[in-house]
Amino acid sequence: DSGVTQTPKHLITATGQRVTLRCSPRSGDLSVYWYQQSLDQGLQFLIQYYNGEERAKGNILERFSAQQFPDLHSELNLSSLELGDSALYFCASSPGLGGNYGYTFGSGTRLTVV
Amino acid sequence: AQSVTQLGSHVSVSEGALVLLRCNYSSSVPPYLFWYVQYPNQGLQLLLKYTSAATLVKGINGFEAEFKKSETSFHLTKPSAHMSDAAEYFCAVSELQGAQKLVFGQGTRLTINP
Repeated sequence: DSGVTQTPKHLITATGQRVTLRCSPRSGDLSVYWYQQSLDQGLQFLIQYYNGEERAKGNILERFSAQQFPDLHSELNLSSLELGDSALYFCASSPGLGGNYGYTFGSGTRLTVV
Repeated sequence: AQSVTQLGSHVSVSEGALVLLRCNYSSSVPPYLFWYVQYPNQGLQLLLKYTSAATLVKGINGFEAEFKKSETSFHLTKPSAHMSDAAEYFCAVSELQGAQKLVFGQGTRLTINP
């Protein structure tokens, strides 16, 4: 157990629907990162939050949004889902902003859009 | 922007043989570098990291990596492969400015032959 908790582990939904993925960071970590992993694109950075504030945005679609709450858990919202959104979505956390920390990853949410 | 290139998307070695997974980075200054391992249906786990201390970094499970500035490389090695080493391995570099997020390589799938 890495200490980063992601729910649900699996999600199957239809095109056009909206889902919410949840992440609880490791205790004491203030930064949360979301990544998408697919076979053809590898690990793609989506978005980063630090202590409730958005700090960096990567290749995140406009149909996707995220937030970090006062208790530091984060949610990734995916709407108007398309078949191509099927992927593994990982959350990771780190103590702060410094790049030397490295990340602790959760076990991921596997999203299947049918 | 920092980036990493992993040479070889698939590497196959015999049990007991040397494991060598290659990673080259692009950065104008020595960055922070990481190796992660991903076992099937799991999240990424930190193997080791270079944060400008010793150039030879020892990690978990008998892996080590050497930072070579002149070659802009951070190759991962293990003297003797075990069947349990079969997994996907990711090299990552940390941005030096801004959010200092990790940028991952495309990954190398390691297969161990009995």
